[in-house]
Amino acid sequence: EDQVTQSPEALRLQEGESSSLNCSYTVSGLRGLFWYRQDPGKGPEFLFTLYSAGEEKEKERLKATLTKKESFLHITAPKPEDSATYLCAALTSGTYKYIFGTGTRLKVLA
Amino acid sequence: DAGVTQSPTHLIKTRGQQVTLRCSPKSGHDTVSWYQQALGQGPQFIFQYYEEEERQRGNFPDRFSGHQFPNYSSELNVNALLLGDSALYLCASSLGTGVLSSYNEQFFGPGTRLTVL
Repeated sequence: EDQVTQSPEALRLQEGESSSLNCSYTVSGLRGLFWYRQDPGKGPEFLFTLYSAGEEKEKERLKATLTKKESFLHITAPKPEDSATYLCAALTSGTYKYIFGTGTRLKVLA
Repeated sequence: DAGVTQSPTHLIKTRGQQVTLRCSPKSGHDTVSWYQQALGQGPQFIFQYYEEEERQRGNFPDRFSGHQFPNYSSELNVNALLLGDSALYLCASSLGTGVLSSYNEQFFGPGTRLTVL
């Protein structure tokens, strides 16, 4: 069964304290791995797409990486405005279904 | 550029009633997907519409149905509402399902918060 697991469920960081979020996936063929940011009561906001192992993408303080089994979202020197839930999703080959993880709730303290 | 829009923003219904939610995709997008997101959970895939046909469906009962119009907008209908249907319903649009990687990126709307009493 296709599955995406995110860890940790919640993370509290001090401003400037770098860390990484994990997204492990078990799917029948990966077409793409997506990262989203979601603020409370709002729809997910697209961050990155990764398509092949070894691929990396960066945006401001965020950097996403992909291996054959997992993806990491690295947050460098976070700020309070980075506080949100970060979701990852795997797009499966052939079925075009997006399988989402349950997210990591990030809180950055000033 | 108008992004994905959804209406209404909030909705309160009682058990057994029926509800219709609406979505207009991002300009230039032709594929619409619907998701249900319970509090504290990730979005769960309901179904996807492309060229006015249901292309894929998740593990949701037949009480959940949808439609896509020629202008690519879409509706989600839920019949015989249950308390467990209370959730944030998200619409996401993308451009087709072709082999070009950029076609698979989804953009989400703000969602419709459905409360079933």
